[in-house]
Parts: sequence; structure tokens; C-alpha cells
Amino acid sequence: QVQLQESGPGLVKPSETLSLTCTVSGASISSFYWSWIRQSPGKGLEWIGFFYHSGGINYSPSLEGRLTISVDTSKKQLYLKLRSVTAADTAVYFCARGLGSGTYYRGTFDYWGLGTQVTVSS
Amino acid sequence: DIQMTQSPSSLSASVGDRVSITCRASQSINTNLNWYQHRPGKAPKLLLYAASTLQSGVPSRFSGSGSGTEFTLTISSLQPEDFATYYCQQCYTDPPWTFGPGTKVEIK
Repeated sequence: QVQLQESGPGLVKPSETLSLTCTVSGASISSFYWSWIRQSPGKGLEWIGFFYHSGGINYSPSLEGRLTISVDTSKKQLYLKLRSVTAADTAVYFCARGLGSGTYYRGTFDYWGLGTQVTVSS
Repeated sequence: DIQMTQSPSSLSASVGDRVSITCRASQSINTNLNWYQHRPGKAPKLLLYAASTLQSGVPSRFSGSGSGTEFTLTISSLQPEDFATYYCQQCYTDPPWTFGPGTKVEIK
């Protein structure tokens, strides 16, 4: 079955770069849209961005300029890098798969990881 | 961005009750609306997409309706495993896609 597992440092200092990894099993990472979504107490669930191997990266305008999403197909991993973090970036970060292998349902998330807590604090 | 609201923000109900949650969008999103269930310590689960299409494996006691700006999630007979937080999410056209603030369903 499809499984997604997020990993990364639980604590990041302000102004530093947050790096997260999502390891995918049971699905081809080349065939689907893969999104990062975060959940913070203040803003609820927030879609951050997606990566599509055949061409397509889209970032939330609120994070564009600080955010990079990439994929290593050989490792079946999705990556998130968020630069210049502040306390507002404290959240649980999820990776999720877009439903189906086409564009139409790329914004419908049929598999999610458990999420990883990230706290930004000195 | 399209803003999503949900009501109520929380509700208390008993096993066997019929429960309905309303989701509203700040502009018409046709039927580009998804519902998710999130239980503590679990991955969020897709329940319905395209407003009323039941995701594979989801019990038929869950149903969805609506189009345009107003949508409803109904649980016909609440089961113990249904106590969770429910989120709507719009996926209309291009991102950013946005979520509602959630409705927490608690045991009465």
C-alpha cells in the first residue's frame, strides 16, 4: 500500500533553513503530483506547494522566494527547503499525493503522511 | 485566494446520530470541493472529492452535497471511529488551494 513518511529536525533556529524529507513507498514518485501541506495553530491547514516530475512546480505565493521543493526519483524521496524561517513557520508539515496520475485531481490529496513537527526557536 | 469557512467549529453528538457540517467558499468553486477526516496521531484521510464522490474504501454513511459556494458533509449514523476533526478544501483551478478551519466532532 502507499505510505508516506516525513522526517527532519524538530527544531530550527530563526533565520536558518528548514529541510524536510518525505519518503514514498508503494507508488511511483514519477507518476503523481506531490504536495507539501502544513498545519499551524494560527493558520490551520495551509497548502505550501507541489512538484510533478514530468514538469511542474508550484509554490504558494505566501512562501515563494523562500521555498524549494524537489524530488530524487532514485531514492523515492520528496524534499522541502524553506529559507529564513521565523516563528510563523512553526507547524506540523505533511507530504501528500495528488489523486490519480493526471492534472485534474492534482489538488485532491488521497494519501498523506503522519506529519512531522517543526518548531522555530532559538 | 479563495477563503473557506466551516460551521459549526465543533459539535457534540452521540453514536448513531446524524451529523451535518457546512462549508462555504468565498466565490463559486463549482464542485471542486474535498472533505478530509483527521484523527489525532493519524494521517488525514480523504473522504469525498468533487463534492459528492466517495473515495474508495470510505463507508457509505459519509455523503457530500453542494455546488457553487455552499457544501455539506453528512454522516448518517455516527460511529465511534468518526470522532475526529473534519476539513473541507477547495481545489478550484490553479493553486493556492485552501482549507476550511475544521469542525471537531466530539462525543456527547
